[in-house]
Amino acid sequence: AQRVTQPEKLLSVFKGAPVELKCNYSYSGSPELFWYVQYSRQRLQLLLRHISRESIKGFTADLNKGETSFHLKKPFAQEEDSAMYYCALTPYRHMLTFGGGTRLMVKP
Amino acid sequence: GAGVSQSPSNKVTEKGKDVELRCDPISGHTALYWYRQSLGQGLEFLIYFQGNSAPDKSGLPSDRFSAERTGGSVSTLTIQRTQQEDSAVYLCASSLIAGRTGELFFGEGSRLTVL
Repeated sequence: AQRVTQPEKLLSVFKGAPVELKCNYSYSGSPELFWYVQYSRQRLQLLLRHISRESIKGFTADLNKGETSFHLKKPFAQEEDSAMYYCALTPYRHMLTFGGGTRLMVKP
Repeated sequence: GAGVSQSPSNKVTEKGKDVELRCDPISGHTALYWYRQSLGQGLEFLIYFQGNSAPDKSGLPSDRFSAERTGGSVSTLTIQRTQQEDSAVYLCASSLIAGRTGELFFGEGSRLTVL
């Protein structure tokens, strides 16, 4: 069965520091991976997906099939990046499997 | 409205009572999902509806949980004989495209507290 692991429940960094939110997955095939974000008092929403190879709000994520990882990175964190981040995987059909989430706190 | 709408936003109930949670997806979205968000547990898949196909109920934690989707639109998640461990935020999401590339649009959730 597929599984998504986010090893850090809480990540605290200072404004301007680099940030990396870790995501590891287990799946034998070729999954699609996503990062979803939930800002305070807002809905959970898609941040980015690996197939798009895009940078959203300065965040990027690279799929590393060898290490089965999909870490989310940003070179200079901003206070408005403080939120709950979920890594998600869909190996087939429809079921999106989420990790446990990492709360990012960016301190001024 | 333009987004996924869920009601009630908050529900406090006593152990043993039944509750119904409603989801109104984005118009035209054929796929509808229910997830449960528990503190420290991440997001747990519950059930998935796609068009007129039989729903995928593989994530429902027990037979006390059921869901239906009427007319391919509004969905109701029913929890019978609620237990304290059912306390969580129940999230509904809809998607235009089912499958690998569909972006899920989430509602604000229904927070259930079982006393």
